[in-house]
Amino acid sequence: SAVISQKPSRDICQRGTSLTIQCQVDSQVTMMFWYRQQPGQSLTLIATANQGSEATYESGFVIDKFPISRPNLTFSTLTVSNMSPEDSSIYLCSVGGGENTGELFFGEGSRLTVL
Amino acid sequence: GENVEQHPSTLSVQEGDSAVIKCTYSDSASNYFPWYKQELGKRPQLIIDIRSNVGEKKDQRIAVTLNKTAKHFSLHITETQPEDSAVYFCAALDSSYKLIFGSGTRLLVRP
Repeated sequence: SAVISQKPSRDICQRGTSLTIQCQVDSQVTMMFWYRQQPGQSLTLIATANQGSEATYESGFVIDKFPISRPNLTFSTLTVSNMSPEDSSIYLCSVGGGENTGELFFGEGSRLTVL
Repeated sequence: GENVEQHPSTLSVQEGDSAVIKCTYSDSASNYFPWYKQELGKRPQLIIDIRSNVGEKKDQRIAVTLNKTAKHFSLHITETQPEDSAVYFCAALDSSYKLIFGSGTRLLVRP
C-alpha cells in the first residue's frame, strides 16, 4: 500500500481562522479522498479530490468552507475555512488501493482543535 | 445513496471468547465490504475485506461473512486478545466507488 503523509498532525486554531492540511503520497494514485472524524464518531466523506479539476463534494460540505486542491497525482490539500469549534475534528486523507477496487488506505490524520 | 448500519455500538468480551459485529447495507449494487480497526489516537487500518462474489473469508482469527440476499455482513473475531480492543468500522462501497462507513463498534477485551 502507498505511504501517506499528512501535516500538520495536530493544531490548535482560533475561531475565524483557516488552516490548510497537506497530504503527500509516495506514489501516483488516481483516487484521493478527504474524510472527517468528529470526536467519538465514524468517518464521514467530505469530498473526492480530482486531479486537474474541482473536487466533488458530498452533501453537507461546500467548496467555500472546505476548498481542496489536487495539483498532481501525489498531492492534495484541504483547507478548513473560517473555523468554529464545531470544526474540531480529525481530518483524514485517504487513497484508493487500485482502480475502482474500493480498497482505501488512510493517512495518520490531522487533529484540529478550534478554540 | 448507500446507508450502512452497525451493531452493537459497544461490545465487552472476556479474553479468549469470540466477538461478532454486524452490519447491514441498503444498496444492493454494493459489492465490496471492508472492515477497519482503529486504535486510540491512530488511523483506521484495513483488517479484512470481502467482495460480493464470495460468502466468507478468513484470515487467522478474523473472518467476515456476507449474505447478499439479506444485505448483511459480519465480522467474527475468535480467541480474542486484549490487543484486539479498539473501535471497528464496517463499510460498503457505493455505486460511485465511495466508501460509506458504519457508526463503529467499540470492542473491549477484558483480560
